[in-house]
Amino acid sequence: GENVEQHPSTLSVQEGDSAVIKCTYSDSASNYFPWYKQELGKRPQLIIDIRSNVGEKKDQRIAVTLNKTAKHFSLHITETQPEDSAVYFCAAPKGEYGNKLVFGAGTILRVKS
Amino acid sequence: GAVVSQHPSRVICKSGTSVKIECRSLDFQATTMFWYRQFPKKSLMLMATSNEGSKATYEQGVEKDKFLINHASLTLSTLTVTSAHPEDSSFYICSARDRYGKSYNEQFFGPGTRLTVL
Repeated sequence: GENVEQHPSTLSVQEGDSAVIKCTYSDSASNYFPWYKQELGKRPQLIIDIRSNVGEKKDQRIAVTLNKTAKHFSLHITETQPEDSAVYFCAAPKGEYGNKLVFGAGTILRVKS
Repeated sequence: GAVVSQHPSRVICKSGTSVKIECRSLDFQATTMFWYRQFPKKSLMLMATSNEGSKATYEQGVEKDKFLINHASLTLSTLTVTSAHPEDSSFYICSARDRYGKSYNEQFFGPGTRLTVL
């Protein structure tokens, strides 16, 4: 089955700097990679996702890159702001129909002002 | 759009009692809902997949008689923690897939239920 590893577990950056979080997956057939942001005690919110037919997707300050050969994908946040502080989870599909998600362990991002 | 609610948001119960948690898709139909468990500062662990009109499928290691799931309609799935014990205390989160959504894989999450078993 799918296995997802996420690094780093914690990341502290200065406001305005960039943050990069990386995930690796094991199943070469996986074709959908979402990133979720979860604030303390709140629900996970999808912030960006990418499908395996593209290598990069960008939405304002957030971008995701995918390297299918190496089986890893990364979240890039530019011009970080204090409100970006949260836990970020990557995920990859699993199951016979790929309709389930397996999540990475999470990255605690702290943006210092 | 794509809003998922959960009820209750927080519940405290005595050991040995059963607790029911509801997950509703408010503005879309969800043939598939998922139940996760999340420990403090940990990731989301998939417990089971709830399928409308059929039996739920459970992940390895999850006791189906302990965590009863019912998905009686296209907008409601319930998780019942039977004979709860302190080790069942956790944050339970559901998610749902929009049956007619443009993204087949996207899951919309509920706000979670904090269960504390005394």
